[in-house]
Amino acid sequence: AQSVTQPDIHITVSEGASLELRCNYSYGATPYLFWYVQSPGQGLQLLLKYFSGDTLVQGIKGFEAEFKRSQSSFNLRKPSVHWSDAAEYFCAVGSGGGADGLTFGKGTHLIIQP
Amino acid sequence: GAVVSQHPSRVICKSGTSVKIECRSLDFQATTMFWYRQFPKQSLMLMATSNEGSKATYEQGVEKDKFLINHASLTLSTLTVTSAHPEDSSFYICSAPEPVNYGYTFGSGTRLTVV
Repeated sequence: AQSVTQPDIHITVSEGASLELRCNYSYGATPYLFWYVQSPGQGLQLLLKYFSGDTLVQGIKGFEAEFKRSQSSFNLRKPSVHWSDAAEYFCAVGSGGGADGLTFGKGTHLIIQP
Repeated sequence: GAVVSQHPSRVICKSGTSVKIECRSLDFQATTMFWYRQFPKQSLMLMATSNEGSKATYEQGVEKDKFLINHASLTLSTLTVTSAHPEDSSFYICSAPEPVNYGYTFGSGTRLTVV
């Protein structure tokens, strides 16, 4: 069965500092990987996704993620965080093609210190 | 891009009543709709998958008689929480596969509170 592990429940980062959110997955086939952000009481916004090709993926809001098959990881990074980045971040894995839903990690709550 | 409109955004109902949540694909045809549930400060858990014109498939542990899903058209899927109880209070989100690029588009969610 597939699973996603986000080992950090909470992360606190100073504004302007760099950020890395960890994500490890377990999946039997070629994974389709996603990062979503959720503000309190809101739906999900897609930051970026990976299906194939270049393992370094660029997303919106200055985020990027790197797929490392050997480590089963898909970590999210941002070189300089802004106060508006404070939110809940979810990593998810799926089969692609839309036949199956996504399996989400438990999320990482990002706190930005002034 | 593909948009899924979800309504209502918030609903409060009395215990024992039923509540219907609608998700509409606005600019594409959604043959499949996924329904997720998110408890406070927890992750999204897939509840069920609806396919237009056929019965929904439910994940293990989800009561199909409590969470009725209907996908009567290519643009509308509904989730009805029947005989709601306080433990059904949660955030419910629908999602449809995007017609291109292998992504998924999500509704804005419905906050259900059962009192």
